[in-house]
Amino acid sequence: KNQVEQSPQSLIILEGKNCTLQCNYTVSPFSNLRWYKQDTGRGPVSLTIMTFSENTKSNGRYTATLDADTKQSSLHITASQLSDSASYICVVSPNDYKLSFGAGTTVTVRA
Amino acid sequence: GAVVSQHPSRVICKSGTSVKIECRSLDFQATTMFWYRQFPKQSLMLMATSNEGSKATYEQGVEKDKFLINHASLTLSTLTVTSAHPEDSSFYICSARGVLRWNSPLHFGNGTRLTVT
Repeated sequence: KNQVEQSPQSLIILEGKNCTLQCNYTVSPFSNLRWYKQDTGRGPVSLTIMTFSENTKSNGRYTATLDADTKQSSLHITASQLSDSASYICVVSPNDYKLSFGAGTTVTVRA
Repeated sequence: GAVVSQHPSRVICKSGTSVKIECRSLDFQATTMFWYRQFPKQSLMLMATSNEGSKATYEQGVEKDKFLINHASLTLSTLTVTSAHPEDSSFYICSARGVLRWNSPLHFGNGTRLTVT
């Protein structure tokens, strides 16, 4: 069983709308959690990185939240744009060496 | 910012031939590089971790003799898919880290689409 579960698997939203992606993890111990954006056929690009003491971090229209007690994180996309269409991957690290990847959420933004 | 360059971006080869993929860190020294494989609509699967000057550490189920990894310098790692077969067709991605600490950035290459005919 994957230690990082993302939901939904995919979603479609209209341009300009907001959406929230979920990431639940069982990785332990916990060091940090990262959100990446991966365009089709490209490598992932970092959006945010948070440690257990951080509850929220923003990067432009992307805002990530973290609840280390419940082992949940979310990524909120505000005022979506067509360029936000991509796969969003949650990555959890127990230490500096290992990374556990979620399967990703595919977001499609339609005009 | 830091950039990881991966080459080639696409390669088509015949079954039985070998293919080499290069991963370069352009403006930082990558003490650790990672190689992943990604199937359509699936997450990245770590294949191996390589540290400069030492042998790569392979994940369980990854054949060392099939996927040869060389990390001869702090800016270059290569993955060679030997005797490729159609089932090796996939998207291969590398990533690199500089200083190893919890918030050190992990930079990804843009991937290589390998098609074995």
